Amino acid sequence: NAGVTQTPKFQVLKTGQSMTLQCAQDMNHNSMYWYRQDPGMGLRLIYYSASEGTTDKGEVPNGYNVSRLNKREFSLRLESAAPSQTSVYFCASSDRLAGGLNEQFFGPGTRLTVL
Amino acid sequence: GEDVEQSLFLSVREGDSSVINCTYTDSSSTYLYWYKQEPGAGLQLLTYIFSNMDMKQDQRLTVLLNKKDKHLSLRIADTQTGDSAIYFCAEKKGSASKIIFGSGTRLSIRP
Repeated sequence: NAGVTQTPKFQVLKTGQSMTLQCAQDMNHNSMYWYRQDPGMGLRLIYYSASEGTTDKGEVPNGYNVSRLNKREFSLRLESAAPSQTSVYFCASSDRLAGGLNEQFFGPGTRLTVL
Repeated sequence: GEDVEQSLFLSVREGDSSVINCTYTDSSSTYLYWYKQEPGAGLQLLTYIFSNMDMKQDQRLTVLLNKKDKHLSLRIADTQTGDSAIYFCAEKKGSASKIIFGSGTRLSIRP
């Protein structure tokens, strides 16, 4: 089992460029998440998908779109990158058990720099 | 509110105990977690406590929960260099899929 995989690991963009961050999980999890991590800010939820076919905004959705392509894959798109989107992006997945532990499993992250 | 607060840094001597503190604001939280992030990696669940418990012990780790003060702590006994990492406190509310993370505490170990 690879767990949660993310591509690419590193990316440099110019302001205004677009790109898609890819995430896949092989644990048959229902829920998937995208976070960004900035120094001193911890992890902030961008979007999440509680189950296949649904997506919801998190704390900081502006400037991003997501697609839950199937149960395994959840992509994050930046349509017009801005320097404020320079960050480390983490994808995570979990079983969606009502009232349950909801342990989240994280990918290794994508380090994005926008110039 | 949804804030989970932690101090940003902690430095301890190798072999001493480390205590990382966290406060949360929502008394309806069902699970509280400690995640560990090693350099260059994603987060991994270290331990957790259910809201009806006061304490949980797992080898060198002790989690204390004070529901009245909405305070959570993680004690690491006999701290080793391999414990150097960022530790995130997090809470889950009811049946929600979301988990709210704190800002993380960077633990550094000095010889």
